[in-house]
Amino acid sequence: DIVMTQTPLSSSVTLGQPASISCTSSQSLIYSDGNTYLSWFHQRPGQAPRLLIEKISHRLSGVPDRFSGSGAVTDFTLNISRVEAEDVGLYYCMQATELPLTFGGGTKVEIK
Amino acid sequence: QVQLVQSGAEMKKPGASVRVSCETSGYTFTTYPLNWVRQAPGQRFEWMGWLNTGSGYTRYSREFQGRITITRDTSANTAYMELTSLTSEDTALYFCARSPPIGVTGSVDYWGQGTLITVSS
Repeated sequence: DIVMTQTPLSSSVTLGQPASISCTSSQSLIYSDGNTYLSWFHQRPGQAPRLLIEKISHRLSGVPDRFSGSGAVTDFTLNISRVEAEDVGLYYCMQATELPLTFGGGTKVEIK
Repeated sequence: QVQLVQSGAEMKKPGASVRVSCETSGYTFTTYPLNWVRQAPGQRFEWMGWLNTGSGYTRYSREFQGRITITRDTSANTAYMELTSLTSEDTALYFCARSPPIGVTGSVDYWGQGTLITVSS
């Protein structure tokens, strides 16, 4: 199984300041079709995860443009350019290149 | 709009079985496979299995092989996940999550609200 490793475990950020989360996979996430199926989710307490970004950098409709994804092969990053109060919660990376789907351990973002 | 609505929380004794439902709406049920994923307290998400909602074909994580059965009722646009021989380690929040259409690789997008299963004597 592909192991996903996220850092940091938590991040305390001042409103309006940037935040960055890293995700590393134990093997390449490049699929046979040439795409890389790395996604980012946001989860608030008591809620289901919300898909923010898929295929490394494709933002879903309705996701603010302060969220951006980057990376390639095994190393990926989620950036929040200016953290807002609604951005608090847990962030997870997930690979869908192969089954089983596997997830990072999560990064908790809170406001300082 | 796309919705996945799961059945309510349950408390079970060790050794019992549990069945969780996932009723979908807002899209063609048989076009999009469904996954079951769980999140135990303090643990990362764990993929349990996948259902081709059109054919009924399933794939299960080897961690749950022999204990899990995923089925569907296409007339009710609903999928079910049954887990048997429960232990306290099965205490978790269980989610259904939609995959892209058959033949398309990609991320799960919509999730159910989660069903808390507590296993305790």
